[in-house]
Amino acid sequence: AQSVTQLDSQVPVFEEAPVELRCNYSSSVSVYLFWYVQYPNQGLQLLLKYLSGSTLVKGINGFEAEFNKSQTSFHLRKPSVHISDTAEYFCAVSDQVQAGTALIFGKGTTLSVSS
Amino acid sequence: NAGVTQTPKFQVLKTGQSMTLQCAQDMNHNSMYWYRQDPGMGLRLIYYSASEGTTDKGEVPNGYNVSRLNKREFSLRLESAAPSQTSVYFCASSEARRFNSPLHFGNGTRLTVT
Repeated sequence: AQSVTQLDSQVPVFEEAPVELRCNYSSSVSVYLFWYVQYPNQGLQLLLKYLSGSTLVKGINGFEAEFNKSQTSFHLRKPSVHISDTAEYFCAVSDQVQAGTALIFGKGTTLSVSS
Repeated sequence: NAGVTQTPKFQVLKTGQSMTLQCAQDMNHNSMYWYRQDPGMGLRLIYYSASEGTTDKGEVPNGYNVSRLNKREFSLRLESAAPSQTSVYFCASSEARRFNSPLHFGNGTRLTVT
């Protein structure tokens, strides 16, 4: 069975500082990996996804993530954050092999950006 | 485009009452899902429908039933609400049955059971 661990529940940073939100997964098969963002009182939006190919994927709003198969990680990074990046971020994994399996979400990381 | 629309946005129930959460998508997606979100728990899958006419249990199906009414609509029913079902419920849809296609979420229904 797959699982996702987001290593930090809360990450406070100052505006224009770099940030890394950490995500580790466990799976016995190849996976697809996703990062979603949730702004207050809204549903989740896709930030970026890794399906195959280049291990460095770029998403919306200047975010990027790197897939590291040996470390089973998919950390999210942004070189300079803005106040508007304050939100909850979810890492998610799905199984490439078993059709119909669900997307498994981590418990979320709250990013708080202050001035 | 409306995307995924959930109704109602808020609901308060008493223990034992029943209700149905409605979800509709206008993106011609094949697959639809119901998740619940609880503080510190992330999102947990309740039920999903890989295609019209099929439904499957997710991680936390107990106390819920679903109906895939047609390709657009996927409803979630609580037959006898319990305080443990106090949560924010999200409906989502995706184009493909396999999970390489992203999910599109509604804005959620905040349910309180007293």
